[in-house]
Amino acid sequence: GIQVEQSPPDLILQEGANSTLRCNFSDSVNNLQWFHQNPWGQLINLFYIPSGTKQNGRLSATTVATERYSLLYISSSQTTDSGVYFCAVVVAGGGADGLTFGKGTHLIIQP
Amino acid sequence: DTGVSQDPRHKITKRGQNVTFRCDPISEHNRLYWYRQTLGQGPEFLTYFQNEAQLEKSRLLSDRFSAERPKGSFSTLEIQRTEQGDSAMYLCASSPEEREAFFGQGTRLTVV
Repeated sequence: GIQVEQSPPDLILQEGANSTLRCNFSDSVNNLQWFHQNPWGQLINLFYIPSGTKQNGRLSATTVATERYSLLYISSSQTTDSGVYFCAVVVAGGGADGLTFGKGTHLIIQP
Repeated sequence: DTGVSQDPRHKITKRGQNVTFRCDPISEHNRLYWYRQTLGQGPEFLTYFQNEAQLEKSRLLSDRFSAERPKGSFSTLEIQRTEQGDSAMYLCASSPEEREAFFGQGTRLTVV
């Protein structure tokens, strides 16, 4: 099956810093989503971005489908940005249409 | 609130008991998915429905797991003869066709 690798696995930053999270995937995809999982386990949708670039406030994302990677940028980090960030994909033409998740990036923003 | 709703939020059960979880999707979404998440891992896809048809169930973890969506609206996930290894967060998601999926708050199962 498709492999989804996220890096770095852990990231500790000071408030106000910028960060880039990476997601590599091993096959063509027709769906890519970024999520933030809060301490209570809720997955919060950040971006639906199978290709191209999107921005939402301090967050932006870019997916280069032909090179099989996606990047999530967080600018001017706040302590509330802490948590686990997941990338998830659906393989193009696959029989099972569920999302395949990476292992996540655990982000800690210190005040 | 028009998001995905899951019930119960927490369930503690004794080993060997059966448990059933409910998921109410976003009303206009015809696809409904179940996932399991264990500590330190990303969610793992289990099964999905398009309307009332279960189109993928080979990923269900064992024959003790089953899911239904009888009228194409809410869904239930049942685990029979629970084992300690079944302790996990069970997540439900819904989407309109092959588009963005939205998740519920999950049901945290503890088997003692």
